[in-house]
Amino acid sequence: EPEVTQTPSHQVTQMGQEVILRCVPISNHLYFYWYRQILGQKVEFLVSFYNNEISEKSEIFDDQFSVERPDGSNFTLKIRSTKLEDSAMYFCASSDWAASYNEQFFGPGTRLTVL
Amino acid sequence: GEDVEQSLFLSVREGDSSVINCTYTDSSSTYLYWYKQEPGAGLQLLTYIFSNMDMKQDQRLTVLLNKKDKHLSLRIADTQTGDSAIYFCAVRGGSQGNLIFGKGTKLSVKP
Repeated sequence: EPEVTQTPSHQVTQMGQEVILRCVPISNHLYFYWYRQILGQKVEFLVSFYNNEISEKSEIFDDQFSVERPDGSNFTLKIRSTKLEDSAMYFCASSDWAASYNEQFFGPGTRLTVL
Repeated sequence: GEDVEQSLFLSVREGDSSVINCTYTDSSSTYLYWYKQEPGAGLQLLTYIFSNMDMKQDQRLTVLLNKKDKHLSLRIADTQTGDSAIYFCAVRGGSQGNLIFGKGTKLSVKP
């Protein structure tokens, strides 16, 4: 069964460093998403991506964040200069939008720890 | 903005029914969802309901939607230890289908 994969499973970085979180969505999907969950808080939407551009983003997704689909397979989230408050679990999701209920398939997440 | 609230913990005995409740603020969401997260795994869609329905049943799962009270519930019949997980209520927000989640309810099933 196709699934969304994410690497690494855990990333530890120093404050101010750049990190790139990687995701491989399901191959025939067209819509891609990033969410994050700070420990003990809600899963929050960050950004959606379609047709090689950002289609929607939340207030959290400021200039420190960027997304890219560099090779038609991977979908990456870059944080340019990490802050302590960026420590969270980051989930990638993809959808084919074919179904009206828009089932999003989630990866297992990358736990980002900023020291 | 849209807000989704749910209780954080629920503990039941194996074989009992579990009822997980959720309230939301924005009634314009056309679909409402229940996602399940097992330890170390991503969120998996468990079931969903279209906003013009009051109830949806899928094997051991029953979803009830009260649009007037903006209340969504998930009932799991004959709860098993394998049902132990975190259950997230979610509604659709935005034009691109991004999801708005509650904090998740941790269901613990005791043998």
